[in-house]
Amino acid sequence: EAQVTQNPRYLITVTGKKLTVTCSQNMNHEYMSWYRQDPGLGLRQIYYSMNVEVTDKGDVPEGYKVSRKEKRNFPLILESPSPNQTSLYFCASSLMGVGNSPLHFGNGTRLTVT
Amino acid sequence: DAKTTQPNSMESNEEEPVHLPCNHSTISGTDYIHWYRQLPSQGPEYVIHGLTSNVNNRMASLAIAEDRKSSTLILHRATLRDAAVYYCILRHSSNFGNEKLTFGTGTRLTIIP
Repeated sequence: EAQVTQNPRYLITVTGKKLTVTCSQNMNHEYMSWYRQDPGLGLRQIYYSMNVEVTDKGDVPEGYKVSRKEKRNFPLILESPSPNQTSLYFCASSLMGVGNSPLHFGNGTRLTVT
Repeated sequence: DAKTTQPNSMESNEEEPVHLPCNHSTISGTDYIHWYRQLPSQGPEYVIHGLTSNVNNRMASLAIAEDRKSSTLILHRATLRDAAVYYCILRHSSNFGNEKLTFGTGTRLTIIP
């Protein structure tokens, strides 16, 4: 089944403890991206990747890192998480990074930083 | 920058058509109009997208105004499973390899049995 898989689904951590949220897609998509969803603020893009080794900042990249070493994986790294990064995170992919390409989203990772 | 605005909520009776509006008055010529819906505890799910012409698929229809400053997602016969938050998103990508996504705040659709 074609899908975007995020892990873990739920994560509770403490301030400053490095963490990684994984994202994997099995559709051979070139484009992948990360978003956070907060009440009243909607979806906001964190980072995106047009292809392997090509990443770029979205609207809210501060406090996050990404890497794209292989086509199928696009992990989101929080080097020193803070409580304001408590949010619902979504990974998405599309065949290409163009306007005509539908996005496929994962089921989300709910992160709580205490 | 492009912006999209949607009503916060709408209600519709089951088995009746639903028209969900989105205003995007600052849309640029290369922005595609996408619609997604989100069920509780799930990620957004693609519904439909278009550029200038109206579009139909098995899930819905998309009507795009001639000036492209607004669009309407049409669910032809709403079912209880269509209850969700619907997002209008503009997706733009340039020839220089960067992109811009503009998200609406979503419309919560309630279906009345």
